[in-house]
Amino acid sequence: QKEVEQNSGPLSVPEGAIASLNCTYSDRGSQSFFWYRQYSGKSPELIMFIYSNGDKEDGRFTAQLNKASQYVSLLIRDSQPSDSATYLCAPNSGGSNYKLTFGKGTLLTVNP
Amino acid sequence: DADVTQTPRNRITKTGKRIMLECSQTKGHDRMYWYRQDPGLGLRLIYYSFDVKDINKGEISDGYSVSRQAQAKFSLSLESAIPNQTALYFCATSDFGGQANTGELFFGEGSRLTVL
Repeated sequence: QKEVEQNSGPLSVPEGAIASLNCTYSDRGSQSFFWYRQYSGKSPELIMFIYSNGDKEDGRFTAQLNKASQYVSLLIRDSQPSDSATYLCAPNSGGSNYKLTFGKGTLLTVNP
Repeated sequence: DADVTQTPRNRITKTGKRIMLECSQTKGHDRMYWYRQDPGLGLRLIYYSFDVKDINKGEISDGYSVSRQAQAKFSLSLESAIPNQTALYFCATSDFGGQANTGELFFGEGSRLTVL
């Protein structure tokens, strides 16, 4: 069973702070990694994609990947109340038969 | 109009009834997926299809069946609905995920099913 573990929430941070979301995965064959954001009652939307070890930055979001440690994280700088949502980590198993396995998600609340 | 459309968006039914959830897409993707979401359990894969002739079970396929009628259409059926199938169901599509694209999933807006 391929497992994806995310830090248990809910996570609460004040506005302007850095929110840190963590994810570990068991499948060493995972090649790429997705972070989705899901507002309550809405469908998930992609916010970050990373496939190389190291950091990838996109605006206020930074994804960090360490394949040796089987760990991927998402940092949200200058958190805003509009960032309040559930964040889902999803490794891609790779190869032609790939499919995404989602973690249970971490609920983030940013307090004004 | 949405690229991935699910119908119905909301459905209340009774135990034992047959239910079909439909998904259509205009993205031109070959790959389509059905996920279910329960509070605290994330998204779990029910079935997926990589083309019209290819259907695969996901991690929780028991009690469900699917039909890929065309590249753009993928339906999920509950032959005899039971209360623990009450959930939010998402259809998603993706491209292959080779060098030209990420293989990200594009989701429909979801179908909320309640089985009484």
